[in-house]
Amino acid sequence: ILNVEQSPQSLHVQEGDSTNFTCSFPSSNFYALHWYRWETAKSPEALFVMTLNGDEKKKGRISATLNTKEGYSYLYIKGSQPEDSATYLCALRITQGGSEKLVFGKGMKLTVNP
Amino acid sequence: DGGITQSPKYLFRKEGQNVTLSCEQNLNHDAMYWYRQDPGQGLRLIYYSQIVNDFQKGDIAEGYSVSREKKESFPLTVTSAQKNPTAFYLCASSTSRGWDSPLHFGNGTRLTVT
Repeated sequence: ILNVEQSPQSLHVQEGDSTNFTCSFPSSNFYALHWYRWETAKSPEALFVMTLNGDEKKKGRISATLNTKEGYSYLYIKGSQPEDSATYLCALRITQGGSEKLVFGKGMKLTVNP
Repeated sequence: DGGITQSPKYLFRKEGQNVTLSCEQNLNHDAMYWYRQDPGQGLRLIYYSQIVNDFQKGDIAEGYSVSREKKESFPLTVTSAQKNPTAFYLCASSTSRGWDSPLHFGNGTRLTVT
């Protein structure tokens, strides 16, 4: 069974703090890694799709890096704001039994206190 | 506005009844997906379709059925054979048949079976 692990599972920070989450995955047969943000009462929203080792992507105060050789991706939020409160999901694209799919981690719930 | 519409938002059914969850998209996306979320677990893939009139089983297809007669629509039927149907169901779509494109999600349907 392939596992995509996210840590920590939850995080409470104060407004202005910077945060760092980790997504770990088996490094063999890597194709792509997705990051999503899921705010309460809304639908998950794509942040990044990363495909190359060493990729770094940025969207405003949020950035992500990818290391396919060691099997991890970091999501970094600089100067967290209350509106950043959400569950952050990572998902690994794999092939299994001749078909392709995305395998999601359990998510990391971030709460930013004003 | 383009997007994915899932209906209804909440659905209640008696055990033994089949129920169909609606998913419609006007994004002109080829691929559509159904995921299930349970507490403490990552999103799990039920079925996906990469083109009209074709679909594949995901990891937990038992007790579910789908159809893809139109590009815009991908309804999911939860049959009485599904042992634990109470869950939150998310529909998604993407622009291409591969998994490098980000998924666009609906707002979900919460199904309760008693």
